[in-house]
Amino acid sequence: DARVTQTPRHKVTEMGQEVTMRCQPILGHNTVFWYRQTMMQGLELLAYFRNRAPLDDSGMPKDRFSAEMPDATLATLKIQPSEPRDSAVYFCASGTGLSGTTTDTQYFGPGTRLTVL
Amino acid sequence: AQSVTQLDSHVSVSEGTPVLLRCNYSSSYSPSLFWYVQHPNKGLQLLLKYTSAATLVKGINGFEAEFKKSETSFHLTKPSAHMSDAAEYFCVVSSSPSGGSYIPTFGRGTSLIVHP
Repeated sequence: DARVTQTPRHKVTEMGQEVTMRCQPILGHNTVFWYRQTMMQGLELLAYFRNRAPLDDSGMPKDRFSAEMPDATLATLKIQPSEPRDSAVYFCASGTGLSGTTTDTQYFGPGTRLTVL
Repeated sequence: AQSVTQLDSHVSVSEGTPVLLRCNYSSSYSPSLFWYVQHPNKGLQLLLKYTSAATLVKGINGFEAEFKKSETSFHLTKPSAHMSDAAEYFCVVSSSPSGGSYIPTFGRGTSLIVHP
């Protein structure tokens, strides 16, 4: 049963510290999404990759957030320095990303719950 | 441009009664529409999707949704609620001009509460 994995599941850190969240997409999927979920804002898209290339990161605060795909099996989301307002659940999702279609299903990981003190 | 509006932030039903979660969308192109469910402390899972085939779409766990272009709606229904249906439900629209990349838009979510 293929699934998206995310590590760590929970992270508590202090303001100013660097945080790195990792995602392993389903093997063979070539799109990856990073989302942030909070009670106030709901689900926000932070970044979107296709074939490891970033296609959209307009939702991501550029001064402190960065997203990369070092290879097809790993996506990372980094926050440096972290702030209390970054506390949220961060989800990664992957999809087959068939070119020219809007019908792609996203498969979500279990999320990383981040608390910044 | 595309957008999606979930008309109710909370819906409360009794077990065994019908469920209706409402979703309206806006899209400049022929859209694909999805419903995802999120159980507490879990990731989102696809319930069903509409991709321009049959307008009545059946999903998992007895849910179904009907695409109504004239009303720009994609409401989610279930004849009889079960306690395990208590969760957050997200309506999603995805559309793009002929081919190319796309970015789906998520609604704010509807929390379904099921009373015994």
